[in-house]
Amino acid sequence: AQSVTQLDSHVSVSEGTPVLLRCNYSSSYSPSLFWYVQHPNKGLQLLLKYTSAATLVKGINGFEAEFKKSETSFHLTKPSAHMSDAAEYFCVVRSMDSSYKLIFGSGTRLLVRP
Amino acid sequence: NAGVTQTPKFRVLKTGQSMTLLCAQDMNHEYMYWYRQDPGMGLRLIHYSVGEGTTAKGEVPDGYNVSRLKKQNFLLGLESAAPSQTSVYFCASSYPGGSGHSLLNYGYTFGSGTRLTVV
Repeated sequence: AQSVTQLDSHVSVSEGTPVLLRCNYSSSYSPSLFWYVQHPNKGLQLLLKYTSAATLVKGINGFEAEFKKSETSFHLTKPSAHMSDAAEYFCVVRSMDSSYKLIFGSGTRLLVRP
Repeated sequence: NAGVTQTPKFRVLKTGQSMTLLCAQDMNHEYMYWYRQDPGMGLRLIHYSVGEGTTAKGEVPDGYNVSRLKKQNFLLGLESAAPSQTSVYFCASSYPGGSGHSLLNYGYTFGSGTRLTVV
């Protein structure tokens, strides 16, 4: 069975400093991995996705993630945090059974301090 | 605009009442999903459908029923609401099927959510 584990429930950074949100995955297959963002009282927005092409995936708003098979990780990074990045972030893996459902991590809430 | 529409957006129910949440998509997608979101737990799958007339249980199906009589609509029913069903519900759809599309490369479209409170 596939799963994802988000290693931090909360991350706090200062504006202008780097962001690192950590995610480990478990999968018997080559996984399809996603990062979604949810701003307060809003819906889900896709940041980026990995589907076995380049291991470094660039997304929207300056975010990127690197797929590391040896470490079973898919960490999300951004060089410089903005106040508008404050939100909840979800690491997600696609199930490879016939449902092709998305399996969500528990989320990481990012706080950006002025 | 093409997408996934959820109705209603907000609802307050009394314990024991019933209601139906509607998810409608106009992208001719085969796969549709109902999730619930609770603090600290991410999104958990309630039920899903891989095509018109089919439904299957997800991770947390108890207390819910679904139907997919038309390809574009996926209904989530609560027969007797309980306070534990207070949550935000999201519908998603994916994959138009047919030739020319790879399911593994296809994305997912989410609705904007329904906030349900059971008192």
